[in-house]
Amino acid sequence: DAKTTQPNSMESNEEEPVHLPCNHSTISGTDYIHWYRQLPSQGPEYVIHGLTSNVNNRMASLAIAEDRKSSTLILHRATLRDAAVYYCILRLLQGAQKLVFGQGTRLTINP
Amino acid sequence: GAVVSQHPSWVICKSGTSVKIECRSLDFQATTMFWYRQFPKQSLMLMATSNEGSKATYEQGVEKDKFLINHASLTLSTLTVTSAHPEDSSFYICSAGFVGRRYFGPGTRLTVT
Repeated sequence: DAKTTQPNSMESNEEEPVHLPCNHSTISGTDYIHWYRQLPSQGPEYVIHGLTSNVNNRMASLAIAEDRKSSTLILHRATLRDAAVYYCILRLLQGAQKLVFGQGTRLTINP
Repeated sequence: GAVVSQHPSWVICKSGTSVKIECRSLDFQATTMFWYRQFPKQSLMLMATSNEGSKATYEQGVEKDKFLINHASLTLSTLTVTSAHPEDSSFYICSAGFVGRRYFGPGTRLTVT
């Protein structure tokens, strides 16, 4: 499986944008970039995914580098409820491929 | 959106007993489900892939005789921790999904005393 590298922790202030980086230099052409987050004492939840183009949804935006070797999850206006561990994962879109979690980035939001 | 439920949400059991955890996909059919465990301050570790109507596939290092998985229907997978010991105390999470995304259950916190 292609590996991703994320900072262990990041800190931001409420109502400010947050940029969470992910490096995936060995990504293959068929790998989609997925982001999940896990709030304390809960199961992970899906945030966003993309292949080549930048993606937006109601939760976040995903900016993908042109060479696809890195990506950035953008929370446009962080709230206290966004404090969580964010995981960047590469996987195929189709099929029952297992989802393997790395260490993720623990995001702290200051009021 | 699609929902995955788990039952129970927490359980305390005595060492040597067995505990069954249920994972249900509430509004979709899941031929494949995944079981994870998570220790405090650590990431999720995939334990096994549960396949409806066939044997589960276990990750390396996971004892299949200790963690019994049954996927008897398209909406239910169960994980039984047999002869539980304190080191099995953990947060167990199941997952299911289809194209594009996975849905995760809320987790089951197991404490073995």
